Amino acid sequence: AQRVTQPEKLLSVFKGAPVELKCNYSYSGSPELFWYVQYSRQRLQLLLRHISRESIKGFTADLNKGETSFHLKKPFAQEEDSAMYYCALMVKAAGNKLTFGGGTRVLVKP
Amino acid sequence: GAGVSQSPSNKVTEKGKDVELRCDPISGHTALYWYRQRLGQGLEFLIYFQGNSAPDKSGLPSDRFSAERTGESVSTLTIQRTQQEDSAVYLCASSLASNSPLHFGNGTRLTVT
Repeated sequence: AQRVTQPEKLLSVFKGAPVELKCNYSYSGSPELFWYVQYSRQRLQLLLRHISRESIKGFTADLNKGETSFHLKKPFAQEEDSAMYYCALMVKAAGNKLTFGGGTRVLVKP
Repeated sequence: GAGVSQSPSNKVTEKGKDVELRCDPISGHTALYWYRQRLGQGLEFLIYFQGNSAPDKSGLPSDRFSAERTGESVSTLTIQRTQQEDSAVYLCASSLASNSPLHFGNGTRLTVT
């Protein structure tokens, strides 16, 4: 069965510092990976997906199949980046079920 | 509507009672998902609908949980004989197709006393 692991429950960084959220997955095939974000008092929403290969709000994520990782990075964190971030894995063979990691809370301090 | 709508937003019920949670997906979205989020934990998959059928019910934790979808639109999640461990936020999401990004509702916070 597929699984997603986010080892850090909380990341606290200062404004302007780099931030990296780790995500590792277990699946032997070709997965689709996503990052979802939930800002305070807002609903969970898509941040980016690996097949788009785009940068959203300064965030990028690279799929590393060798390391089965999909870490999320931003070189200069902003206070508005404070939120809960979830890594997610979609497997077409499993009916496109989206499996989420446990989430990482990011706190950007001024 | 502009997004996925869930009702009620909050529900407090006594142990042993049945509850029904409703999800109105975005119009035209064929796929619909239910997730559960217990306090301090990640999202736990419950069930997935493609149209009105549920190809994956693997996440339903017990036979007290059931869900249905009608008209390729509204879905209801029913929990019978609620237990305290059912307390959680129940999230619904819909997507245009089964491999498209999910759009989430605000969730229903269920508290079983």
